[in-house]
Amino acid sequence: GAVVSQHPSRVICKSGTSVKIECRSLDFQATTMFWYRQFPKQSLMLMATSNEGSKATYEQGVEKDKFLINHASLTLSTLTVTSAHPEDSSFYICSARLAGWYEQYFGPGTRLTVT
Amino acid sequence: AQSVSQHNHHVILSEAASLELGCNYSYGGTVNLFWYVQYPGQHLQLLLKYFSGDPLVKGIKGFEAEFIKSKFSFNLRKPSVQWSDTAEYFCAVYGSSNTGKLIFGQGTTLQVKP
Repeated sequence: GAVVSQHPSRVICKSGTSVKIECRSLDFQATTMFWYRQFPKQSLMLMATSNEGSKATYEQGVEKDKFLINHASLTLSTLTVTSAHPEDSSFYICSARLAGWYEQYFGPGTRLTVT
Repeated sequence: AQSVSQHNHHVILSEAASLELGCNYSYGGTVNLFWYVQYPGQHLQLLLKYFSGDPLVKGIKGFEAEFIKSKFSFNLRKPSVQWSDTAEYFCAVYGSSNTGKLIFGQGTTLQVKP
């Protein structure tokens, strides 16, 4: 149990376009989902915390207008990278957490390359 | 601000060697501690976790970790590593004032030579 999926696993887009990444909890209801960014050989950097039915809480330094997060249901959160630029190229990982639990379950990640 | 520090950035061991990866955190309150592993090309997986009780916790694949409150440490150990343990290891802390956020350490790359 506790499986989290992400789609797509890899995406290449042109500079200036927008890309949507989906994060789904497959067998449980996730009241909270988290979005992370991971640079090569580095740790996970939390971008935002997403609670179902409410606005996401962004970490300091993360542009909310650039990284749009929607958590419309208990099993789906989306991250949209708007007007992507090459510096947005990275590995984006989501995680999901059950209500009242500390443990997070991680998705497989999405490799975004902006050309 | 709360932080997690992993002292070893890159560790190279031969098979059958013993492993200890350091993890220290800075937070004075109640903590929940985790070790995650990321195998090449795969997603993060939970190795083990500590919430309360016995400070020596056992996880999957023969890993264990010891919570030493006085040292603010949660070191990961394995008596005999295998080539398949080659991966990135992350220590993470959830503190009661974190509002649900996990704070990750920088990660340690473990390379096990056959």
